[in-house]
Amino acid sequence: GIQVEQSPPDLILQEGANSTLRCNFSDSVNNLQWFHQNPWGQLINLFYIPSGTKQNGRLSATTVATERYSLLYISSSQTTDSGVYFCAVARNSGNTPLVFGKGTRLSVIA
Amino acid sequence: DSGVTQTPKHLITATGQRVTLRCSPRSGDLSVYWYQQSLDQGLQFLIQYYNGEERAKGNILERFSAQQFPDLHSELNLSSLELGDSALYFCASSFAGDTEAFFGQGTRLTVV
Repeated sequence: GIQVEQSPPDLILQEGANSTLRCNFSDSVNNLQWFHQNPWGQLINLFYIPSGTKQNGRLSATTVATERYSLLYISSSQTTDSGVYFCAVARNSGNTPLVFGKGTRLSVIA
Repeated sequence: DSGVTQTPKHLITATGQRVTLRCSPRSGDLSVYWYQQSLDQGLQFLIQYYNGEERAKGNILERFSAQQFPDLHSELNLSSLELGDSALYFCASSFAGDTEAFFGQGTRLTVV
């Protein structure tokens, strides 16, 4: 099956710092999503981005499908950004489920 | 609010018991997915239904089963529960596989 690798596995930031999270995947995809899992366990949709670039406030994401990677940028981080960030992809072969990476655990310190 | 409803939110049960988790997808979504997240682990895909039919199977144990009903809600049945089945179980829905999926709040299952 498709492999999804996220880096770094852990990240500690001072409040106000910027960060880049990376997601590499091993096959063509027709769906790529970024999620934030907050400390209460909720999975929050951040971006649906099988290709291209999107921005939402302090967050932005870029997917280069031909090179099989996606980047999530967090600017001016806040303590509420803490949690685990997951990348998930679905293979480009019809109605297939999302496969998740192991996530990046982000801790933002005041 | 994602629009995906899961019940119950929390469940505590004893080993050997059977439980049923319920999921109502977002209005208009035809696909339902079940995932398991054990402590400090990633999300493992269990099973997918599309418009009432099983579409894909992942790492789902034989003690677990699921179905999607004509009104598109889904149930995940877990039987002969073991301590290791303690986890957060998520349901997600999407219109199709290449459209955005949304997750419910999860059911936190504790087996004692």
